[in-house]
Amino acid sequence: EIVLTQSPGTLSLSPGERATLSCRTTQSVTNSNFGWYQHKPGQAPRLLMYGASRRATGIPDRFSGSGSGTDFTLTINELEPEDFAVYYCQHYWTFGQGTKVEIK
Amino acid sequence: EVQLVESGGGLVQPGGSLRLSCGASGFTFSSYEMTWVRQAPGKGLEWVSFIGSGGTPIYYPDSVKGRFTISRDNAKNSLYLQMNSLRAEDTAVYYCARRVLGAFDIWGQGTMVTVSS
Repeated sequence: EIVLTQSPGTLSLSPGERATLSCRTTQSVTNSNFGWYQHKPGQAPRLLMYGASRRATGIPDRFSGSGSGTDFTLTINELEPEDFAVYYCQHYWTFGQGTKVEIK
Repeated sequence: EVQLVESGGGLVQPGGSLRLSCGASGFTFSSYEMTWVRQAPGKGLEWVSFIGSGGTPIYYPDSVKGRFTISRDNAKNSLYLQMNSLRAEDTAVYYCARRVLGAFDIWGQGTMVTVSS
């Protein structure tokens, strides 16, 4: 079973700063089944990236995804107030434990 | 508008049963793979079942295998999750989600299931 480990657990940043979120897998995985999600309390999760680096429909270009093999990264440039949320990586059926991006 | 709407959640005693439904609209439901994902209070996202566009294949994680059954009725644009032998640890918000290109692109708002005596 492949395990996804996200770091850091919490990221404290100010609006306008850049957020760099990491997701590491215990085995090398294919990009084609790798995604990133944003989740806010009381809302449905929102797909941000699929195929590791492809933005989903309607996602602003300040969000970008990269990586391959066992190391993947979600970058959020110039954080907007609405970007403070929990972010999850996903491979097939498995999710990481989440990274909370909070306002510093 | 592409939309998924869950229903059927509620309070149930340990050992009890509940059937969740997910209604789809705005897209050709029969063409898409579907899943159920849950989030327990204070926890992260956990996948609980998958069903292919035509009803097969079907997959479950060990945590629910033998207790949960996923099904779909493409004529009614509906997805279901039959949950039996419920446990306290099944308490969560349950989301249905559409799977495409290896990711879950459309999610419902969720329905809360509470297992408690």
